[in-house]
Amino acid sequence: EVQLVESGGVVVQPGGSLRLSCAASGFTFDDYTMHWVRQAPGKGLEWVSLISWDGGSTYYADSVKGRFTISRDNSKNSLYLQMNSLRTEDTALYYCAKDVAYHSGYFDYWGQGTLVTVSS
Amino acid sequence: DIQMTQSPSTLSASVGDRVTITCRASQSISSWLAWYQQKPGKAPKLLIYKASSLESGVPSRFSGSGSGTEFTLTISSLQPDDFATYYCQQYNSYSTFGPGTKVDIK
Repeated sequence: EVQLVESGGVVVQPGGSLRLSCAASGFTFDDYTMHWVRQAPGKGLEWVSLISWDGGSTYYADSVKGRFTISRDNSKNSLYLQMNSLRTEDTALYYCAKDVAYHSGYFDYWGQGTLVTVSS
Repeated sequence: DIQMTQSPSTLSASVGDRVTITCRASQSISSWLAWYQQKPGKAPKLLIYKASSLESGVPSRFSGSGSGTEFTLTISSLQPDDFATYYCQQYNSYSTFGPGTKVDIK
């Protein structure tokens, strides 16, 4: 059974930093592109970032470019999101999501999310 | 960047109704479009990919159509389990979600 379990969400002050983690199981992690998607409270979904199977390619939404860094450790079946210079508008539930294939661009499995609150 | 819009933003319907949701892209995305269903407090669930392909395990009352810039999600006969919010997603160029359509009880 595919499982994605996010962790690391906390309350942080504006300008602060945070690292989210996603532990994957039930599939061959290093065969798939992985993504982060977020959802602000009561709002819609926003794609944040993707990383290729080998970590060699990364892409970001304009809203987080230069502040967030996606990475992965295939030996630990783990995905990460380093978040710096946090803003109040980064407050959201952050999901990790598995790409359907090597790189299809849509998602067949999602975690339950980890909540990041940016507030003074 | 590709922008996505959805209409309506809210749809009130009854069990058994045929429901159609429209999604539009700001430029052509060919058929690189997916649809997701999200219920409160839950992660989104994939329904449709490549505009019209039904994900395994999804009931056949769900269908998708369209290409280029205009797409539709149709629920042929609305069931109690279908009251939820629906999002389209383009994956022609990275990824963008539509703002969502909430289907609630009339």
